[in-house]
Amino acid sequence: NAGVTQTPKFQVLKTGQSMTLQCAQDMNHNSMYWYRQDPGMGLRLIYYSASEGTTDKGEVPNGYNVSRLNKREFSLRLESAAPSQTSVYFCASSDDPQRGEKLFFGSGTQLSVL
Amino acid sequence: GENVEQHPSTLSVQEGDSAVIKCTYSDSASNYFPWYKQELGKRPQLIIDIRSNVGEKKDQRIAVTLNKTAKHFSLHITETQPEDSAVYFCAASRENFNKFYFGSGTKLNVKP
Repeated sequence: NAGVTQTPKFQVLKTGQSMTLQCAQDMNHNSMYWYRQDPGMGLRLIYYSASEGTTDKGEVPNGYNVSRLNKREFSLRLESAAPSQTSVYFCASSDDPQRGEKLFFGSGTQLSVL
Repeated sequence: GENVEQHPSTLSVQEGDSAVIKCTYSDSASNYFPWYKQELGKRPQLIIDIRSNVGEKKDQRIAVTLNKTAKHFSLHITETQPEDSAVYFCAASRENFNKFYFGSGTKLNVKP
């Protein structure tokens, strides 16, 4: 049982380059999330998808786009990377957050933008 | 939106001592409060959670307390062990709402 799978694990970009972070879950969860983790800042929500076909902005959406490709997959795209986007990115999923169901996290992507 | 504050940012205790981490929240409608543990280089994982209809919950050496009136909740770890060393995050969410808001994290160091 893989849970939440993220790719890649590490990435180095130059300013202005674009890339897509991939996330897939095999738990048949409805909700999926993208968080970024910065030192001293905790986990901040970038975008989330409450169900297949819907996406909504979180706390820090600027510079990012997302796609909920199907129930399993939720991708995060950086169109023009900036050094401020250097961070660790976590994808997560939850069965029913409205009832307080717990988040399952992927293993993270460490992104450096030079 | 919700604002979750967490203290302290770092905590160092001797093995066997107790550790307490505190969080406050701003949205009185929040009713679900999970705690996540993140070991170095690993993903966050849920260790305990509490809903607003109870004041305390225990799971072996870990307990969480909630004070709805004061809008704060705390994580208590007793008889700490070196493997408890990690970063701990509190979070808050509310019914019919798909977002979790996290605190800034507490780095706990348990010295053997």
